[in-house]
Amino acid sequence: AQSVTQLGSHVSVSEGALVLLRCNYSSSVPPYLFWYVQYPNQGLQLLLKYTSAATLVKGINGFEAEFKKSETSFHLTKPSAHMSDAAEYFCAVSGGYQKVTFGTGTKLQVIP
Amino acid sequence: NAGVMQNPRHLVRRRGQEARLRCSPMKGHSHVYWYRQLPEEGLKFMVYLQKENIIDESGMPKERFSAEFPKEGPSILRIQQVVRGDSAAYFCASSQTASTGGTYEQYFGPGTRLTVT
Repeated sequence: AQSVTQLGSHVSVSEGALVLLRCNYSSSVPPYLFWYVQYPNQGLQLLLKYTSAATLVKGINGFEAEFKKSETSFHLTKPSAHMSDAAEYFCAVSGGYQKVTFGTGTKLQVIP
Repeated sequence: NAGVMQNPRHLVRRRGQEARLRCSPMKGHSHVYWYRQLPEEGLKFMVYLQKENIIDESGMPKERFSAEFPKEGPSILRIQQVVRGDSAAYFCASSQTASTGGTYEQYFGPGTRLTVT
């Protein structure tokens, strides 16, 4: 069984500030972890993925995430928020089987 | 290389009618997944299919919903006798075969927004 918890359904940051979106996972086997972004009225786009290689994963648009097994976390960060980062972000987990379980999402608001 | 395609993008049905949602996976992808997204609820897994096989349908409602992925043609999600509670965005995703047991990322289509009046 696997699950994902995203802390905070809404996060607001000022333009240029650090973005931190939290994700904790639960998995009975070594997990594969993903972050996706969804812009309004669009499908999900993969930002980055962790597949048991480096624990710090770099993705597109300046985002990165760090896998911490001891904390069962996979938080998403970006040093400096841009207006175009405003979207909904989903953390997801897979146990190596093709089925992926998504979190409930975090809406990021960027304040000018 | 075209991405995952879904049609229609918007679908309006009256209560009691049937809704058919189509999904064409990315070229070379043999795995298809369907998800439902309700406001403030994130994505809920519905079904996972390979060509001519349903692998996991644990997220499908027991009645009125069915899915197929035939040898030729797109995957179809079919909802019979729609009710207002079926109004949602339905997303299809596809992935490659995981030849080494790892998980390939899923690529999403733009979704079909179903409105039941």
